Amino acid sequence: AQTVTQSQPEMSVQEAETVTLSCTYDTSESDYYLFWYKQPPSRQMILVIRQEAYKQQNATENRFSVNFQKAAKSFSLKISDSQLGDAAMYFCAAVEYGNKLVFGAGTILRVKS
Amino acid sequence: DTAVSQTPKYLVTQMGNDKSIKCEQNLGHDTMYWYKQDSKKFLKIMFSYNNKELIINETVPNRFSPKSPDKAHLNLHINSLELGDSAVYFCASSHRGSGANVLTFGAGSRLTVL
Repeated sequence: AQTVTQSQPEMSVQEAETVTLSCTYDTSESDYYLFWYKQPPSRQMILVIRQEAYKQQNATENRFSVNFQKAAKSFSLKISDSQLGDAAMYFCAAVEYGNKLVFGAGTILRVKS
Repeated sequence: DTAVSQTPKYLVTQMGNDKSIKCEQNLGHDTMYWYKQDSKKFLKIMFSYNNKELIINETVPNRFSPKSPDKAHLNLHINSLELGDSAVYFCASSHRGSGANVLTFGAGSRLTVL
């Protein structure tokens, strides 16, 4: 069964700067998917970005990109040009094919103006 | 036109009561889930149904009973509520055959047991 670890309970970033949120995971499968979800104070869970494990290329979505290191089982999220609206809880998650989505404990991101 | 809708959004009740949370999705997905988010924000899966069939049943007290009348609906009934049941309950849906299993979440239902 997969496990997901987020070692940073809280991070801060200045508006317009870049921040990286860390995530490591453990799985015995070769075929799996990784995700970052954002949960703002409204508590809605919003998909930020996803990565297929078989793809070497790191996923990007506008200001959000990942650094996927398959051998190290690491999946960090980089947020560039941080905005006040990026302030939220960020969850890393992993799913093996057809199986359940497992979440990390989350990282609170604070954005300072 | 909400994709995954849950009702009620807030629920305050006394210990020992029975309550239900309803969930409906209009995305045409074949799989639905219930997740529990505790006071420390930890999200853990409780149940999953695929085409009305229970496929994931985590270690959850049998006071919790999911029901899926059709693949667009998944309800959660909780008997004899306890203080520890206070949490936010999220419904989600996905198309399981897609492989990536991208979940779309509802807005959550905050349950407070007094």
